[in-house]
Order: sequence, then structure tokens, then C-alpha cells
Amino acid sequence: NAGVTQTPKFQVLKTGQSMTLQCAQDMNHNSMYWYRQDPGMGLRLIYYSASEGTTDKGEVPNGYNVSRLNKREFSLRLESAAPSQTSVYFCASSEAGFERGITGELFFGEGSRLTVL
Amino acid sequence: DQQVKQNSPSLSVQEGRISILNCDYTNSMFDYFLWYKKYPAEGPTFLISISSIKDKNEDGRFTVFLNKSAKHLSLHIVPSQPGDSAVYFCAASGNQGGSEKLVFGKGTKLTVNP
Repeated sequence: NAGVTQTPKFQVLKTGQSMTLQCAQDMNHNSMYWYRQDPGMGLRLIYYSASEGTTDKGEVPNGYNVSRLNKREFSLRLESAAPSQTSVYFCASSEAGFERGITGELFFGEGSRLTVL
Repeated sequence: DQQVKQNSPSLSVQEGRISILNCDYTNSMFDYFLWYKKYPAEGPTFLISISSIKDKNEDGRFTVFLNKSAKHLSLHIVPSQPGDSAVYFCAASGNQGGSEKLVFGKGTKLTVNP
């Protein structure tokens, strides 16, 4: 039972470099999400995809782009990394998306720790 | 503007005693509430939820209470076990400005001492 798989688990970047965080789920869920977790800040939504082919901004989208490649995969791209993007990133998926109301839980990946120097 | 507040960053209890984690929310449009548990170096995992039409939901050692008039919910863990030591996030869901949102609190770190 893989659930939600994120890669890479750790990454160190220099300011201005680009990278893509990959996420895949094998639960046939419709909706997928990218969150970041910072000390004392809880989980903040970056982008989400309610269904294949759609993406929407969350609370903190600036500096990020996303692609819902297919139903299984949802990637997060940093085009020009900044130290403020140092964080732990979590991908999640759910059967129902925000538009249909949250009646169940989100399933999270193990996280990707990104450091931008 | 913090819509979901967990005012206690940390809580320490003895094994076998009750743990009570609190959560307050400000938006009356929230109608579904969830608790997630997170161990270090792992993703959060769903623990228990409650709909606004209920005031209590129980699952084994875990009970969530909802007081809508006070906009307050709490998670009770009885009896507490060392394996319950983790960060607990409260989350609230509801329609805001025409779209559904899920908002997380900042988390409370629970330590259960043997």
C-alpha cells in the first residue's frame, strides 16, 4: 500500500535554481493538494487540483507552479527558488475535493524537506 | 487572520491520564472538523472528524467534542499512551466566499510521559 509517494525526500538548492517536486497517488483519488509546513505556521495550502485537468491557487501560491499530469500525478515546481521557500512540503490526496465538500480525510505523503541557501 | 487556533503549542501528560487538546475557530461557515496526528519525519494522518450537526464523536480512546456556540472543539485521549506523543493538527472545512476551504491550525505537540 504505497498511498501517496513524494520525491525527492530531501533537496538543497541555491537561490535562483529551479526544481520540481513529484507526487503520485495510487488510491484513484480525484483531488490532490500541495501544502507547506513551517515552524509555528501549521499547514498552508499552496495549490490544489480538484480533478484531473484543473488546478487552483491556495493560500500561498506565489513562487510556485503546478501540473496535474494525470489522475495519479501532481507536481509542484519552483522556477526560481528563494530562501523563503525553505520548508517541508506535503502532497495529499482525497476522494472528494473542496468543491464537493470535505466529508472524508486527506491522505498525506511523507513530506519533502527543501532547503534553499 | 487565523481562522483556526490551537493556542497551546505543547502539552505534557502522564501515561494513563487524559489528554485534552483544544481548538477554536472564528468562521461560523465551518461545518466539518478534523483532527490529524503527525509523527516526526512522517506526513499527517487522519485521526477523527465531526460534523457540525453533532456535538460528540467517539472512536476508541479518542473523542472529539464540538461546542458550536463557543466555536470550540476539543480532542480527548483516554487513556493516554506514550505512542500518542505527536503533533496534533485541528482542521476546519466549510464554504468561504463561494468555495470550499480546509484550514489547519498551527498544531499542538503532545508528549505522553511513561
